[in-house]
This record gives sequence, structure tokens and C-alpha cells, in this order.
Amino acid sequence: TQLLEQSPQFLSIQEGENLTVYCNSSSVFSSLQWYRQEPGEGPVLLVTVVTGGEVKKLKRLTFQFGDARKDSSLHITAAQPGDTGLYLCAGAGRGNKLVFGAGTILRVKS
Amino acid sequence: DTEVTQTPKHLVMGMTNKKSLKCEQHMGHRAMYWYKQKAKKPPELMFVYSYEKLSINESVPSRFSPECPNSSLLNLHLHALQPEDSALYLCASSADRGPTSYGYTFGSGTRLTVV
Repeated sequence: TQLLEQSPQFLSIQEGENLTVYCNSSSVFSSLQWYRQEPGEGPVLLVTVVTGGEVKKLKRLTFQFGDARKDSSLHITAAQPGDTGLYLCAGAGRGNKLVFGAGTILRVKS
Repeated sequence: DTEVTQTPKHLVMGMTNKKSLKCEQHMGHRAMYWYKQKAKKPPELMFVYSYEKLSINESVPSRFSPECPNSSLLNLHLHALQPEDSALYLCASSADRGPTSYGYTFGSGTRLTVV
């Protein structure tokens, strides 16, 4: 069974602080995606990383895919209250199934 | 149109009721999915339809019955549910079967409460 371990589970920070969320596995994934979900809504795709070592930037968010395609990180610079939500990493696993991490609940206080 | 539309947004049903959840997309995606999500947990895969055929059933109880009438529509028929089935039910679609570089597009979900 392919598993994605996501950490931390909860993060409560002040506006303006930086943070990093990690997603790790012992399995190789062909691609890895990050989603953000607000209460009462569905997950929204932020980015897909495909190549080992790939770095993608989306405004204040930086996504990195590990060289071996087993891990990924999401770094947010100068967090804003609007960044509050559930962040999910998800890997393209065997059988073309999407394997989700447990999620990180982020709360940014103003 | 880059959306997945789910109806209803909220549903309360008794354990003896029969109801249906609906999902629609007009992006030309050929794979559609049903997920179940409990509060503050990741989505759990229930069913996958690929080119209108059921390709994956994750050992879901028979009280949940999926249907794909055409390439744009996906239904989930509910019958004799239990209170523990209360959850957010998410529909998603992708350009082809499985997570590709294009990712999944999720709907806003149906918040189901079984009483």
C-alpha cells in the first residue's frame, strides 16, 4: 500500500510568518499534487509537480518535488489570513489512484 | 466551463429514504470520481468511472449505487443509509483515467446528514 505521510497535522501561526508543510513516502510517485480546501468546499488544485527536483512557485507559495520523487514540500512566505484552510498533498499512485496525505490544517491569525 | 457542479449542496435524509446526488461537468473529462470526506480528514475514494464504465469500486457498501448516464453526468443513489454515512460527498473529474499532470477538478460537494 502506498502511503503519504503529511506533517504537521495542525499549524496555527501569526500573519506574516513563514511555514513549510511536508509530504513523505517510501514509494515513488509519477506526479504529486497539492490542493487547498476551505470549509464546505471541495479541494482546489494548486499545483502538480512531475519531475524529480522540480520547484514551482505560485505567488507566495513554493512547491518542491524531491529528487527521488518520494517527497514534496509546500513553503508559504509571509502567510496571510486568506491562506487558512486544509492543505492536502496527493500522489499519483498504482492503478492510477490518487493517494492523499492526511492533510494539514493551517490557521493564520491576523 | 471549468467547473464540476454538484447538487444538492445539503441533504438531510432518514435511514429509510432513497435519495440521489448529482454531478455534472462540461470539460470533456472522461474520468469521474466519487469521494467521501469526513471532517478534517482527506477524501476517501469510493468509485471511479472511466469512459462511462465503472472501473474501480473501493469495496463500498451496496447502499451506495453509482450511475453514469453519459460522459457529463454522474449520480450516486443512496438507500437505507446509516448515521455514520453522514459526510461531505465530493465528485471529481479528470481528463483521463487517473491523476495526470492536469490534476483533478473537484465539485463543492454535498453535505449529507443521515438521521
